[in-house]
Amino acid sequence: AQSVSQHNHHVILSEAASLELGCNYSYGGTVNLFWYVQYPGQHLQLLLKYFSGDPLVKGIKGFEAEFIKSKFSFNLRKPSVQWSDTAEYFCAVNLISGTYKYIFGTGTRLKVLA
Amino acid sequence: KAGVTQTPRYLIKTRGQQVTLSCSPISGHRSVSWYQQTPGQGLQFLFEYFSETQRNKGNFPGRFSGRQFSNSRSEMNVSTLELGDSALYLCASRGVDDSPLHFGNGTRLTVT
Repeated sequence: AQSVSQHNHHVILSEAASLELGCNYSYGGTVNLFWYVQYPGQHLQLLLKYFSGDPLVKGIKGFEAEFIKSKFSFNLRKPSVQWSDTAEYFCAVNLISGTYKYIFGTGTRLKVLA
Repeated sequence: KAGVTQTPRYLIKTRGQQVTLSCSPISGHRSVSWYQQTPGQGLQFLFEYFSETQRNKGNFPGRFSGRQFSNSRSEMNVSTLELGDSALYLCASRGVDDSPLHFGNGTRLTVT
């Protein structure tokens, strides 16, 4: 069955530390890949997306993600986190076939200490 | 362009009752999906409707049902509420099939 795994459920970092959140999926066909973020008290919003082309994509607020097709991975990175990055981060895969199903990972809660 | 609108924002119900949640997608979006979000389980997919037909379905019991109207607005119904149904219910819409989801603010359901 198709699935998305996020390896870290809770991450605590100090400001200015580097961030990398892992995301792996299991599906052999074509996919679009997304990272969504949910800030405290706010709705889920798109952080960045990969459809095709350059596997390194840049999103809002200095975030970037790299698609490694051979590893079925789409890890999220940020060189230097800020207190305002405290949020829950969700990796998602959109299967490009059939009913275009969306699959979300379980989420990673990031807390950045000032 | 208005975003995804969910009503009501908050609901308090008693075990055994039923509840209906409403979602208005972004204008022009024909796909509406519903998710249940809880601290312990994360984001759980309920179902997706496209042009009034259920296109995808998650692994929830039959107490959870939905429908979509010709104007793409969607409703979700939960019958015979249980304490474990307390959660934030999120609605999301998308335009074309491979586009990002746009989420509403959710309906916070508390079952007592």
